[in-house]
Amino acid sequence: GAVVSQHPSRVICKSGTSVKIECRSLDFQATTMFWYRQFPKQSLMLMATSNEGSKATYEQGVEKDKFLINHASLTLSTLTVTSAHPEDSSFYICSARGGYEQYFGPGTRLTVT
Amino acid sequence: QQQVKQSPQSLIVQKGGISIINCAYENTAFDYFPWYQQFPGKGPALLIAIRPDVSEKKEGRFTISFNKSAKQFSLHIMDSQPGDSATYFCAARLRGANDMRFGAGTRLTVKP
Repeated sequence: GAVVSQHPSRVICKSGTSVKIECRSLDFQATTMFWYRQFPKQSLMLMATSNEGSKATYEQGVEKDKFLINHASLTLSTLTVTSAHPEDSSFYICSARGGYEQYFGPGTRLTVT
Repeated sequence: QQQVKQSPQSLIVQKGGISIINCAYENTAFDYFPWYQQFPGKGPALLIAIRPDVSEKKEGRFTISFNKSAKQFSLHIMDSQPGDSATYFCAARLRGANDMRFGAGTRLTVKP
């Protein structure tokens, strides 16, 4: 299957700082990329959807000024968590759509201290 | 609003047995139904997917059965192995749309 990479896999940051997470589709061009958040033992919660060169579409309840998404190319999307707080600690997973299929990255564990 | 209902929440199967996970949906505009496998601390991996124009799809030990009239689809894992122990998510995507609707997940444990 197609490969989606995510970096970093783990990050610890101090409260009030910003963190950037990168997502890349390695062997295909992704028409659309997605960012999910997953709490322990729960399903995936869609945060936002983005198309290359366009502004991201955020799900209801997701603060667009806090979770900045940039979809710079057909293979790269970034999520920046600004002014992080402990409640932002979570597992963030990106996903990319190539044709009919949707593939997920390995996830980033964010811990805000 | 949960659009895809998945059951059971957890499942314990003996090695060599058949694991069956079920999902039901209500929106007939869904036209793509994938199953994902997720290990702890990892992202979901696409396992197998089906479109509503077929009733069954098999890939190795994994089979999707699809019942369009009942609006249900299920994942069957034949000859279940301890390495299959993971959380499985069914999902459905609306025709012409991008976002996927996920089930709540099933935690499968295969006992040796």
